[in-house]
Amino acid sequence: DAGVIQSPRHEVTEMGQEVTLRCKPISGHDYLFWYRQTMMRGLELLIYFNNNVPIDDSGMPEDRFSAKMPNASFSTLKIQPSEPRDSAVYFCASSLGTQLYNYGYTFGSGTRLTVV
Amino acid sequence: SQQGEEDPQALSIQEGENATMNCSYKTSINNLQWYRQNSGRGLVHLILIRSNEREKHSGRLRVTLDTSKKSSSLLITASRAADTASYFCATDATGGSYIPTFGRGTSLIVHP
Repeated sequence: DAGVIQSPRHEVTEMGQEVTLRCKPISGHDYLFWYRQTMMRGLELLIYFNNNVPIDDSGMPEDRFSAKMPNASFSTLKIQPSEPRDSAVYFCASSLGTQLYNYGYTFGSGTRLTVV
Repeated sequence: SQQGEEDPQALSIQEGENATMNCSYKTSINNLQWYRQNSGRGLVHLILIRSNEREKHSGRLRVTLDTSKKSSSLLITASRAADTASYFCATDATGGSYIPTFGRGTSLIVHP
C-alpha cells in the first residue's frame, strides 16, 4: 500500500485566496483525521470522519475552514479566504478502528501551507 | 489544549547512548501512544501501551506507564544517528472520544 497520500506537498498562496488540500487514506481504513501542526500550538486535531461522516469538527478554527469526504478514498480541507496565520503543516491521517490499538494512526507526509 | 506534555523539549546525545523521554498528562487515560516524526515527514506510530499495562518493549524501545503519577517514559537503547527525530506522546482521556491528543514533542538529536 502507498500509505496516506496528501497533495500538494507545498502550497504558497496569497492572502484571501482559496486553498484546497487533498488526502487519499489507506484503502479500507474507516477513520480519517485532519491535523494542523505549528511551532506555537503543536499538533491540533481539526476534524475527523468515520465512514465518510464528519464526527467532530470542534477543532476547526473558523468558518473559513471546511472539510469534506465525498467517498471512502478521498477527503479535502478547504480554507476560504486564507490568512497568513493559517500558515502551517497540515496532516491527514487514517486508521482502521478495530486495529487502532495495534497500529495507531498512519499519517501522510503533510502539506506545508504558506500564506503571504 | 495538550493532554500530554513531553519532557525534555530537546535532547542531544552521542550514538550508542540511551535516550529517555518523558510524557506527563492530566486526566485518566485509556491508552498512551508514542510517535516519531522525522524532519519534513508525517508521524510514525511506534508503540501503544494500555492503561492496565506497566511496561512494553519493541526492539530497542521500552515504554513504561505509571498511571498513579500520570506519566510515561520512552527509552531508546543504544541510539543511532537515524533515531534523530521528534518524539510525541498521544493520550486519549477516559470518557472521551478515544481520539488521542498529542503533546508538543521532544526533539532528539543523536550525534554520530
